[in-house]
Amino acid sequence: DAKTTQPNSMESNEEEPVHLPCNHSTISGTDYIHWYRQLPSQGPEYVIHGLTSNVNNRMASLAIAEDRKSSTLILHRATLRDAAVYYCILYTGGFKTIFGAGTRLFVKA
Amino acid sequence: NAGVTQTPKFQVLKTGQSMTLQCAQDMNHNSMYWYRQDPGMGLRLIYYSASEGTTDKGEVPNGYNVSRLNKREFSLRLESAAPSQTSVYFCASSEWGTTADTQYFGPGTRLTVL
Repeated sequence: DAKTTQPNSMESNEEEPVHLPCNHSTISGTDYIHWYRQLPSQGPEYVIHGLTSNVNNRMASLAIAEDRKSSTLILHRATLRDAAVYYCILYTGGFKTIFGAGTRLFVKA
Repeated sequence: NAGVTQTPKFQVLKTGQSMTLQCAQDMNHNSMYWYRQDPGMGLRLIYYSASEGTTDKGEVPNGYNVSRLNKREFSLRLESAAPSQTSVYFCASSEWGTTADTQYFGPGTRLTVL
């Protein structure tokens, strides 16, 4: 089964960019890479997703390696409100999703 | 537009008791999901409903049953609660359930089984 690997935690200063890595070496050709984040005591919320090309939206950017075995979520200017657990998820089709343990992002003022 | 709503927010049960967790979405989505999240861990899929009238097992279905009551509502039932089912339960929905789809999550139900 496809799996994702993320660092347990990362720290950033406010107003600085943050790069959150994810390894997914067993990804298959049709698996989409999704990122969600979970604020304390809330349900996960969608951040961004992609298949092969880099993607940008108002919240973040997603950089996908050419071999698709890794990806990086980029928050361009971290704020205190971005402190959350970030999940890199593979959508493998058949309605199955693989959630890892996520990366807890700490943002310092 | 409330999105995905869940009731109750909190529940304490004794071992052996039964209960039903309710979930509703107002986005006209076809697919709905139930997840559980144990402390310090990611979410694990319990059951899902690809469309109205269908349900299927996810990764951890033992001890649970589900009902897709209509397009809006998807309930999760614990027939005989066990301490191992202490967890936070999240309901989610998506338009079609394809690999490119976004899932929208509810606020969760925090369940404790004594």
